[in-house]
Amino acid sequence: DSGVTQTPKHLITATGQRVTLRCSPRSGDLSVYWYQQSLDQGLQFLIQYYNGEERAKGNILERFSAQQFPDLHSELNLSSLELGDSALYFCASSFQGASEAFFGQGTRLTVV
Amino acid sequence: GDSVTQMEGPVTLSEEAFLTINCTYTATGYPSLFWYVQYPGEGLQLLLKATKADDKGSNKGFEATYRKETTSFHLEKGSVQVSDSAVYFCAVSGGYQKVTFGTGTKLQVIP
Repeated sequence: DSGVTQTPKHLITATGQRVTLRCSPRSGDLSVYWYQQSLDQGLQFLIQYYNGEERAKGNILERFSAQQFPDLHSELNLSSLELGDSALYFCASSFQGASEAFFGQGTRLTVV
Repeated sequence: GDSVTQMEGPVTLSEEAFLTINCTYTATGYPSLFWYVQYPGEGLQLLLKATKADDKGSNKGFEATYRKETTSFHLEKGSVQVSDSAVYFCAVSGGYQKVTFGTGTKLQVIP
């Protein structure tokens, strides 16, 4: 158990819908990362937050947004969903940006 | 920004064969280097790490040495087992920047 909790584990939704993925980092970790993993794209970095502020942005679509709350949990919002958004979404946390990241078990999103 | 290049897979080996997965990186300053492993159906787990030049990280028979002069962090294991079948990710992290991952190398070990 990495200490990073992601909910829900599985999510099935229709195209055009909006979903929210939730991540609780390890106790004491200030950085939260979001990654998308699909079969043909590998592990794609989406966004990083550090202590409530956006720190780095990767290949995140405009339809996607994220935030980190004062209690350090984070949410990833995906809207106007398309079939191609079906993937595993991982959250990871670290104490600081430079230290090792601990991953949650992921949320498997299926868009039908 | 930081970047990681690792050898493309899949890599298929027979049990007890020697494993090398190459990884090179670009980063400013004095980054930390990591290898993560993802077993089927699971999230990524830290396998080993090295925080400064010439450090050797090791775990579960896997080793990797931080080579600053060649900006490399190759993963090795002397004798692989079927249970080592997984996807291996090399990663680099420096300062307060994000942890940057390579694209992953799938390893399949056959009996």
